[in-house]
Amino acid sequence: KAGVTQTPRYLIKTRGQQVTLSCSPISGHRSVSWYQQTPGQGLQFLFEYFSETQRNKGNFPGRFSGRQFSNSRSEMNVSTLELGDSALYLCASSWGGYRVREQYFGPGTRLTVT
Amino acid sequence: GESVGLHLPTLSVQEGDNSIINCAYSNSASDYFIWYKQESGKGPQFIIDIRSNMDKRQGQRVTVLLNKTVKHLSLQIAATQPGDSAVYFCAETPMYSGGGADGLTFGKGTHLIIQP
Repeated sequence: KAGVTQTPRYLIKTRGQQVTLSCSPISGHRSVSWYQQTPGQGLQFLFEYFSETQRNKGNFPGRFSGRQFSNSRSEMNVSTLELGDSALYLCASSWGGYRVREQYFGPGTRLTVT
Repeated sequence: GESVGLHLPTLSVQEGDNSIINCAYSNSASDYFIWYKQESGKGPQFIIDIRSNMDKRQGQRVTVLLNKTVKHLSLQIAATQPGDSAVYFCAETPMYSGGGADGLTFGKGTHLIIQP
């Protein structure tokens, strides 16, 4: 069974631009969560989607948004990029459980903002 | 605010030796703890978890110890192998949050290096 896939794997953007990242969950998984990972802050939870609805949200500004499609694939968007948005963005999928031990992570998208 | 941290950023051990990775937490409300392994170029992988009603939990070659008195968590890896090379980080959450990601506080990680 294929794992969680994320595209693109690497991305370079300029301040002020916006970016869209994509995540395809494991087949059959209906929950997708997004995380931001930086050396300074570590791993931080962004939001979680289940059945096309945002079920939980972390403490990030409104510039960070996401959505989920009927096939459970998810996208996250960051508008008006700032230098501090440079990070590894990870998504994780699960059958539908909310508990983190049930999540499987993708390899991440490395975003660099210049 | 309260946070979870790690004592050492890098730990180097000989292949075959046991590794001990430490984690301190400060949120007294935390009662569920998780260890993750993250290999280069990959996302985190769940290793083992423990609830505060336990002091010790064992998995395959891994043991997690919890000392609630001093708010300390450790991950022991027995007979360390080259494949154990990775960043290990802990996370904690109050169970009243449901064990979900929005309640988690993650540590920044310890890089475990295996010497041949």
